[in-house]
Amino acid sequence: SQTIHQWPATLVQPVGSPLSLECTVEGTSNPNLYWYRQAAGRGLQLLFYSVGIGQISSEVPQNLSASRPQDRQFILSSKKLLLSDSGFYLCAWSGGYRDSPLHFGNGTRLTVT
Amino acid sequence: SQQGEEDPQALSIQEGENATMNCSYKTSINNLQWYRQNSGRGLVHLILIRSNEREKHSGRLRVTLDTSKKSSSLLITASRAADTASYFCATLNILTGGGNKLTFGTGTQLKVEL
Repeated sequence: SQTIHQWPATLVQPVGSPLSLECTVEGTSNPNLYWYRQAAGRGLQLLFYSVGIGQISSEVPQNLSASRPQDRQFILSSKKLLLSDSGFYLCAWSGGYRDSPLHFGNGTRLTVT
Repeated sequence: SQQGEEDPQALSIQEGENATMNCSYKTSINNLQWYRQNSGRGLVHLILIRSNEREKHSGRLRVTLDTSKKSSSLLITASRAADTASYFCATLNILTGGGNKLTFGTGTQLKVEL
């Protein structure tokens, strides 16, 4: 069966520090991968998606970047965090067909101080 | 931007009662999905309804879709305390670069009390 791992679960970082969040998927090949951010009491905002190794698309301009160095690995990064980067970050994967649902990791709670 | 908007924002019911949540969206869709999120966790897919379907069932869940009104509803029958969670609708658009873009609403917080 497929599983998705996301870490760390919580993170407190000072403003201006770098960020690296990692997500890996097991049990499937060539998944579509996604990074979402959820602000408190809000819905999810799509940040990045990837349909293959090295292929990254950004949905919103921001202080973050994403990379996919391996088929089942998706990394969210920042060189210098801003206070506004605080939030709940969720990684997800889906199959390549239209009705494929998203399967989410358990998220990372990031607090920038 | 938020495509789906859930109504109500919060709902509190007694165990055994039915819970109904509504979702409205703005643009045409390929399908509409409902997800559940327990506090501080990732979302879990519950049910998907295609744009050419009007109703779908899965266990205690019943979803309806009215594309003319751009709305959907999720009914949870015979609710249990374990159903306490936030529920989100999400509409599907196909991304130009491939992949599925799900646009999520702001969610309904359901509390089921014993």
